[in-house]
Amino acid sequence: QKEVEQNSGPLSVPEGAIASLNCTYSDRGSQSFFWYRQYSGKSPELIMSIYSNGDKEDGRFTAQLNKASQYVSLLIRDSQPSDSATYLCAVNPDRGSTLGRLYFGRGTQLTVWP
Amino acid sequence: DTEVTQTPKHLVMGMTNKKSLKCEQHMGHRAMYWYKQKAKKPPELMFVYSYEKLSINESVPSRFSPECPNSSLLNLHLHALQPEDSALYLCASSQGQGARTGELFFGEGSRLTVL
Repeated sequence: QKEVEQNSGPLSVPEGAIASLNCTYSDRGSQSFFWYRQYSGKSPELIMSIYSNGDKEDGRFTAQLNKASQYVSLLIRDSQPSDSATYLCAVNPDRGSTLGRLYFGRGTQLTVWP
Repeated sequence: DTEVTQTPKHLVMGMTNKKSLKCEQHMGHRAMYWYKQKAKKPPELMFVYSYEKLSINESVPSRFSPECPNSSLLNLHLHALQPEDSALYLCASSQGQGARTGELFFGEGSRLTVL
């Protein structure tokens, strides 16, 4: 069974702080990892993808991957109230597949207060 | 503006009705997906079409019937649904090649209520 676990929320941080979101996955052979943001009542939106060990930075967002520990994280620097949303970790366990079959974690609800 | 368009945005239907959800993408993607999402839950994969062929059916009940008329269109036909099928139905597309197949672009969703 493919399991994706996210740290329990909700997470509340003040504006300007660093928000840290964590995710672990059960399938050791997984190769592709994603973070989606979902505002209340809206559909998920891709914000980061990461495929190799280490850090990947995009603006205020940094994704970190450690395949040995089966661990993915997302750091949001200089958090803004507009970052308040549910963040979904997603894993594609299909090696070499042309299909984006994703398994999602339950999500972490982030609130950034002014 | 989203490049994956879903209609209708809201649908209310009785358990004996037949209805369809429609999805259209104009990004040249070759993989299209139906996900179901209930309140406070993550999206759950239902179907995957790759190059207009059904590639994955995640053991979805037959009262849900997908159709892919061409590479830009994806339908979900609904018949004899149950109240527990009420949910947000999300269509998504992706490139269908390499690792970036998991980079899904979602439509705004169709919120279905079954009475």
